[in-house]
Amino acid sequence: EDKVVQSPLSLVVHEGDTVTLNCSYEVTNFRSLLWYKQEKKAPTFLFMLTSSGIEKKSGRLSSILDKKELFSILNITATQTGDSAVYLCAVPITGGGNKLTFGTGTQLKVEL
Amino acid sequence: GAVVSQHPSRVICKSGTSVKIECRSLDFQATTMFWYRQFPKQSLMLMATSNEGSKATYEQGVEKDKFLINHASLTLSTLTVTSAHPEDSSFYICSAPQTGGYNEQFFGPGTRLTVL
Repeated sequence: EDKVVQSPLSLVVHEGDTVTLNCSYEVTNFRSLLWYKQEKKAPTFLFMLTSSGIEKKSGRLSSILDKKELFSILNITATQTGDSAVYLCAVPITGGGNKLTFGTGTQLKVEL
Repeated sequence: GAVVSQHPSRVICKSGTSVKIECRSLDFQATTMFWYRQFPKQSLMLMATSNEGSKATYEQGVEKDKFLINHASLTLSTLTVTSAHPEDSSFYICSAPQTGGYNEQFFGPGTRLTVL
């Protein structure tokens, strides 16, 4: 059964800190790994990773995939209070077309 | 990116009533849409896959007679929670995959259902 595990479950940091969120996965047939940010409402897309070792970057956020060790990290530098959210990692289910299985998420809180 | 809308954004109903939630893809066609449920402090759990022109497929443990799904057109899927009970109170989110593969999905804003 495909599985996604995220750590830590929750994290509290101060503005300006750098955080690293982890996502490990087990899938029979890996196609991609996706990161989403969820605030009060539905998730918003951050990154999709398909290739090992290639960093994707968007402003202060970046992510990288290691297909050998079966994990991905999401980095946020110079955190701001607006980064407070749940960060979700997901992978397409093997044989499931576009169905996604999500990790439990990491609840990030950035304090002043 | 593509836009997916949901209506209503919030609904409060009495136990025993049925509630319909609409999910629309606004600027693209979606032959497939997904319905998720999210309980407080938990992740998204896939409930079912809505297929345009054919029956929905449900995940294990999801009652198809309770959660009726209709994919009436290439831009609209509806989820009806029949005879709702307080334990059905949850955040319901739909998504539609990007056409052309690569599995990026666009999520609707979600519907918060509260059953009294």
